[in-house]
Amino acid sequence: DTEVTQTPKHLVMGMTNKKSLKCEQHMGHRAMYWYKQKAKKPPELMFVYSYEKLSINESVPSRFSPECPNSSLLNLHLHALQPEDSALYLCASSQATGTEAFFGQGTRLTVV
Amino acid sequence: AQTVTQSQPEMSVQEAETVTLSCTYDTSENNYYLFWYKQPPSRQMILVIRQEAYKQQNATENRFSVNFQKAAKSFSLKISDSQLGDTAMYFCAFMKHEAGNQFYFGTGTSLTVIP
Repeated sequence: DTEVTQTPKHLVMGMTNKKSLKCEQHMGHRAMYWYKQKAKKPPELMFVYSYEKLSINESVPSRFSPECPNSSLLNLHLHALQPEDSALYLCASSQATGTEAFFGQGTRLTVV
Repeated sequence: AQTVTQSQPEMSVQEAETVTLSCTYDTSENNYYLFWYKQPPSRQMILVIRQEAYKQQNATENRFSVNFQKAAKSFSLKISDSQLGDTAMYFCAFMKHEAGNQFYFGTGTSLTVIP
């Protein structure tokens, strides 16, 4: 199994809603990532979890809250988002050191 | 800080021809990894090829090969016998050799294969 599975694939939410994005992998990878990608732009790193601990937080607003319940799961909790937060949110995983990341298909988020 | 530069925002190539995408990077690290990722309209980022900086031999993967010039900090991707399915956004990426990897992506090159 070399897949990273993200749910949902599409999400539309209002600015007062609370929602969560989910990411799952069963490759035994110990590093997991959240990226945000705007159209025709490269992915921007948001968070890195290494061995289930948050190791990098790229100054992301607190309306985005990551959670790593176990080594296979990564969540991104969303609250009080703004329309400019509309983007493709990509999850990825990798071995702890020095290997490529495997990406999920992303969640297309629209904030209305 | 690491920076990755892709100077070709858009490129096109005729089917079955060869095309080269350029990438340069800036780093003070000695041990690192370089990658080319492909992102088709389906939007999933797919690894194309990987190169370890300590290896002098250029990586190859079927129709894909790289020209890695460590001293010049250059990492170009050559696609031979281009196919329609190669149409995608291509991102060059740099990663330091340490735990809790952080990828640094270039701005991308949009490649169109013309039938």
